[in-house]
Amino acid sequence: AQSVTQLGSHVSVSEGALVLLRCNYSSSVPPYLFWYVQYPNQGLQLLLKYTTGATLVKGINGFEAEFKKSETSFHLTKPSAHMSDAAEYFCAVSLLLGYSTLTFGKGTMLLVSP
Amino acid sequence: KAGVTQTPRYLIKTRGQQVTLSCSPISGHRSVSWYQQTPGQGLQFLFEYFSETQRNKGNFPGRFSGRQFSNSRSEMNVSTLELGDSALYLCASSWRQGENTEAFFGQGTRLTVV
Repeated sequence: AQSVTQLGSHVSVSEGALVLLRCNYSSSVPPYLFWYVQYPNQGLQLLLKYTTGATLVKGINGFEAEFKKSETSFHLTKPSAHMSDAAEYFCAVSLLLGYSTLTFGKGTMLLVSP
Repeated sequence: KAGVTQTPRYLIKTRGQQVTLSCSPISGHRSVSWYQQTPGQGLQFLFEYFSETQRNKGNFPGRFSGRQFSNSRSEMNVSTLELGDSALYLCASSWRQGENTEAFFGQGTRLTVV
């Protein structure tokens, strides 16, 4: 069985500062990894995904994440935070690409101050 | 192209009643999953349907059930509603023939049990 741990239920940054949201996973086999973002009263929007190949993946809105197998991590970063980045972020894993069954972390709320 | 459509968006039910939620996946998608999102438990997987068959099931009581129709549309039903069933219910679809695709989410149905 797989599991996902997101460190920090809330992360606060100033506008223009680096954003770092942490995600560690546990899986018996190499998983597929995803970051989703959720705005209030909305569904989940995919930011980026790692399937195979390059371990540094770039997503929408300037976000990127690096898959580190040795550390079982998939941290999400953005060089410069914008006010519009304030939302809840979820890391998720799947053992099979193409199906809609995902295991999610608890989520990290990103707060951006002026 | 049209996204995942969930109806209704908001629902208020009384304890003990039953409720049916609907999800129309993206055209061509054959996998549909349902998730329950609550502040305390986060995003929890309910079940997944693929080509009208339940492929995976999460750890929820039998009061939660679902089905998928031949056009891939899915419904989930909750019987004998409890106050703790109040949540945002999200539907996700994926798996287009011949493609590796991630899960796309609808905007959810906000169920309030009073």
